[in-house]
Amino acid sequence: NAGVTQTPKFRVLKTGQSMTLLCAQDMNHEYMYWYRQDPGMGLRLIHYSVGEGTTAKGEVPDGYNVSRLKKQNFLLGLESAAPSQTSVYFCASLDLSYEQYFGPGTRLTVT
Amino acid sequence: AQTVTQSQPEMSVQEAETVTLSCTYDTSESDYYLFWYKQPPSRQMILVIRQEAYKQQNATENRFSVNFQKAAKSFSLKISDSQLGDAAMYFCAFPNAGGTSYGKLTFGQGTILTVHP
Repeated sequence: NAGVTQTPKFRVLKTGQSMTLLCAQDMNHEYMYWYRQDPGMGLRLIHYSVGEGTTAKGEVPDGYNVSRLKKQNFLLGLESAAPSQTSVYFCASLDLSYEQYFGPGTRLTVT
Repeated sequence: AQTVTQSQPEMSVQEAETVTLSCTYDTSESDYYLFWYKQPPSRQMILVIRQEAYKQQNATENRFSVNFQKAAKSFSLKISDSQLGDAAMYFCAFPNAGGTSYGKLTFGQGTILTVHP
């Protein structure tokens, strides 16, 4: 039982490049979330999904897109990376008691 | 909108001593959960303890316990017999129970805990 996994763990992009972050969970959870964490701060919600085929915007959605084609996977895309998107990205899934299970995080640097 | 406030950016404690981390929140809901998460240098978010608002009894998990004051909207974390491995950033978090962003966690600003040997 792997829980929530994220790939890649680290990535360096140049301004304007694109990339996709993959999140996978094996707990059959309906709800999944993408957060970003900037230095010295708590996590802020980017996008979330309430089930396969559905996505919705969170607090800080600009510059990101998401897709949930399969229940177990939630993808976060950056179409044209900017230095302001340098951050640590966390994926999470939600169980029925509101507990969120987090992935290990992806450290992204945009130069 | 829900808000979560941690007023202690940093705290320190001697090994084997007790420390209390503070958290206050604001909500119009009557039934809800509250969480404390630990984030060590590895960055992994680890659930420390959870409190259900309808339960009057304070939650405990081994050396970790909470002081939940619903009327005051206060949710503090007490760590007893502190260990070096307790050193981390601690976040208080509050999930949306309904409406938009269901389940989304609102985090406090975090408290960095240092444990001195």
